[in-house]
Amino acid sequence: RKEVEQDPGPFNVPEGATVAFNCTYSNSASQSFFWYRQDCRKEPKLLMSVYSSGNEDGRFTAQLNRASQYISLLIRDSKLSDSATYLCVVHTGYSSASKIIFGSGTRLSIRP
Amino acid sequence: DGGITQSPKYLFRKEGQNVTLSCEQNLNHDAMYWYRQDPGQGLRLIYYSQIVNDFQKGDIAEGYSVSREKKESFPLTVTSAQKNPTAFYLCASISEAGQGREKLFFGSGTQLSVL
Repeated sequence: RKEVEQDPGPFNVPEGATVAFNCTYSNSASQSFFWYRQDCRKEPKLLMSVYSSGNEDGRFTAQLNRASQYISLLIRDSKLSDSATYLCVVHTGYSSASKIIFGSGTRLSIRP
Repeated sequence: DGGITQSPKYLFRKEGQNVTLSCEQNLNHDAMYWYRQDPGQGLRLIYYSQIVNDFQKGDIAEGYSVSREKKESFPLTVTSAQKNPTAFYLCASISEAGQGREKLFFGSGTQLSVL
């Protein structure tokens, strides 16, 4: 089983739609969770961290469920510029054993 | 401005040749990482280093080697033992905050192709 799993998509939705991505992780010792956005052949950019209480940044909402080892990202009122690959990222371990593991990404295409 | 510099942007390797990808950071970060990305795929961890003179294998370390002689530098060598090296390589470092407040910084990547 992969340490971090995501639905690969692609998701193809109309502009203005709401879309949700899910991600599961296998290591219960994982400490920190993030969503990154990556455009083709570019480095990933931080979209938002994911906190236990859930957090919102404009049209984006992130949730964490430690009991189920599951995080989610919700995008409301999607824009054409939201088209990208969304990567779930998990930071696991301490000190010299600290690893940062990426999910395989979910591709999102927003159509006019 | 602080950041991570990867070079070269494009690199071509001949059969049986070792090549080295450069990664330099001036962010004073202890932890650095190398990832490989294949087309349409996510990032896979090759090697990571938490402190100078120490590094660990990631999930796909075979055919690669690294060194961490200086805090600022974490070069990756793709050896001739790596039979399928064509990919996009990303170097990253992380700030120390923790508790979900740490932040990954990425270089702009190196595209490696086999001639």
